[in-house]
Amino acid sequence: GIQVEQSPPDLILQEGANSTLRCNFSDSVNNLQWFHQNPWGQLINLFYIPSGTKQNGRLSATTVATERYSLLYISSSQTTDSGVYFCAVGETGANSKLTFGKGITLSVRP
Amino acid sequence: EPEVTQTPSHQVTQMGQEVILRCVPISNHLYFYWYRQILGQKVEFLVSFYNNEISEKSEIFDDQFSVERPDGSNFTLKIRSTKLEDSAMYFCASSEIGGGKYNEQFFGPGTRLTVL
Repeated sequence: GIQVEQSPPDLILQEGANSTLRCNFSDSVNNLQWFHQNPWGQLINLFYIPSGTKQNGRLSATTVATERYSLLYISSSQTTDSGVYFCAVGETGANSKLTFGKGITLSVRP
Repeated sequence: EPEVTQTPSHQVTQMGQEVILRCVPISNHLYFYWYRQILGQKVEFLVSFYNNEISEKSEIFDDQFSVERPDGSNFTLKIRSTKLEDSAMYFCASSEIGGGKYNEQFFGPGTRLTVL
């Protein structure tokens, strides 16, 4: 099956700093989603982005499907951005399940 | 904004007992999913469901698990005889379609299952 690798595994930032989270995948995809898991364990949809670029406030994401990677940018980070960020992909031509990466744990310090 | 709901938010059960986790997908969605996340690990696919039948299941989804859409709104996951290793957060998700474009999956808040 498709492999999903996220990097770095852990990230510590000072409040106000910018960061880039990376997701590499091993095969072509027709679905790519970024999630933020909050301290209560809920998965919050950030972006549905199988290709192209999207922005939502301080967050933006870019997927280059031909090169099999996606980037999540967080600008002017806040302590509430802390948590685990997951990338999940749906493989082209396969059934619709999502395969998740192991996640990136972000800690934003005040 | 429509959302996926799940009940209960937390379930505690004794090993060997049956549990039923409930989900209400978004009303116009046709594809339904269950995922689980063992504490500290990544989210894993369990099963997908379309047109009243399982469309795909993972190796985790053995004979102890079953899914059902008992009416027009609910989607349930049953674990017949729970084991300690079934302790996890279980997420329900739904999508409008199953593949191709516009197949974004929307996740519920999860049910945390603790097996003692």
